[in-house]
Amino acid sequence: EVQLVESGGGLVKPGGSLRLSCAGSGFTFSSYNMNWVRQAPGKGLEWVSSISSRSNYIYYADSVQGRFTISRDNAKNSLYLQMNSLRAEDTAVFYCARGGSGWYLWGRGTLVTVSS
Amino acid sequence: SYELTQPPSVSVSPGQTARITCSADALPKQYAYWYQQKPGQAPVLVIYKDSERPSGIPERFSGSSSGTAVTLTITGVQAEDEADYYCQSADSRGTYWVFGGGTKLTVL
Repeated sequence: EVQLVESGGGLVKPGGSLRLSCAGSGFTFSSYNMNWVRQAPGKGLEWVSSISSRSNYIYYADSVQGRFTISRDNAKNSLYLQMNSLRAEDTAVFYCARGGSGWYLWGRGTLVTVSS
Repeated sequence: SYELTQPPSVSVSPGQTARITCSADALPKQYAYWYQQKPGQAPVLVIYKDSERPSGIPERFSGSSSGTAVTLTITGVQAEDEADYYCQSADSRGTYWVFGGGTKLTVL
């Protein structure tokens, strides 16, 4: 089955760190750019970061630049998001999405809550 | 930064046509994409490259583009189409993705 599964979410204190993972299966993971998108409770979708298939191109939204780091391990069919210096406003469901001409494939999301 | 503007809400009766417009604040406009999201679910791609429909998406969903705006049209709206709809595009270099604020479609 073609799917993406996120993990690693949870409750973290302001200023803390968290690492999200996204496992891909059922497709050639190494052929696709990958993306992270988040959605704060009751709010809209916000693009967070993108990484090219070979990790040679990486982009971040201004809101996370310098705090978040995207990476991937094609041998493990996995995408990661290292999140440091977390703030209350980072509280959201984080989705990974497969790139391409339209993001056809999304995971179900993992919830990150930043609170003291 | 690049921004996409959508109306917060659109309401239509079953069988009518719903149109949701997404306006970009600058040229050139990259291709636009549309996603449907129902409560508690991940987004689903319903239109790509302004007007292409992915396999499995009903024919009542269509997209069009004019100038700096794109429009999602749902012809013959059904109750199951009630959802939030988001447009997506990129900056001129294709390096910075943006989503519109979302439009809540209510089927009366």
